[in-house]
Amino acid sequence: TQLLEQSPQFLSIQEGENLTVYCNSSSVFSSLQWYRQEPGEGPVLLVTVVTGGEVKKLKRLTFQFGDARKDSSLHITAAQPGDTGLYLCAGDTSGTYKYIFGTGTRLKVLA
Amino acid sequence: EAEVAQSPRYKITEKSQAVAFWCDPISGHATLYWYRQILGQGPELLVQFQDESVVDDSQLPKDRFSAERLKGVDSTLKIQPAELGDSAMYLCASSRMGANYNYGYTFGSGTRLTVV
Repeated sequence: TQLLEQSPQFLSIQEGENLTVYCNSSSVFSSLQWYRQEPGEGPVLLVTVVTGGEVKKLKRLTFQFGDARKDSSLHITAAQPGDTGLYLCAGDTSGTYKYIFGTGTRLKVLA
Repeated sequence: EAEVAQSPRYKITEKSQAVAFWCDPISGHATLYWYRQILGQGPELLVQFQDESVVDDSQLPKDRFSAERLKGVDSTLKIQPAELGDSAMYLCASSRMGANYNYGYTFGSGTRLTVV
């Protein structure tokens, strides 16, 4: 079974702190996406990374795709309460083109 | 900005009744997905359509669930009869595929189903 393991599973931090969420697999991915989901809503696409070693920035969020395209990280600088939500990584594995979702990281930023 | 439309937003139904959910994907997106999500977990694929054809329904409980996309545009997911364990968020998504990789999905707001 192909898995995308995310860590940590839960994270509660104070406003202004920095944090990093990790997404790991033993499989190689053609592309990898990060989504944020707020309670009662569908996931919203944040970014797509394609090239090994690629780094993308979205305001205070920095996304990195591992050199071997098996892992990714999301770093948030100076977290704000509006960053609260469920963060999901997802991707399609090379060769199978099967799209799988990570186990999720629930982030709570306290004011 | 283009959106995936879903209805209803909330549905409460009694066990053994029939329920149906509707989805209208982004115009031009050939691929449509129905997912089920238990609170706090990642979405689980139920069925994937490419135009009007089913590409993957391996995780769809076919004894009670059915899905159709007759004209290759909007789609309906039905449960009959509903069971208590079907209570979950049902998400519809659509996507456009690149030549070599997936650009990512656009999700609707979902239907929160509660079976009582």
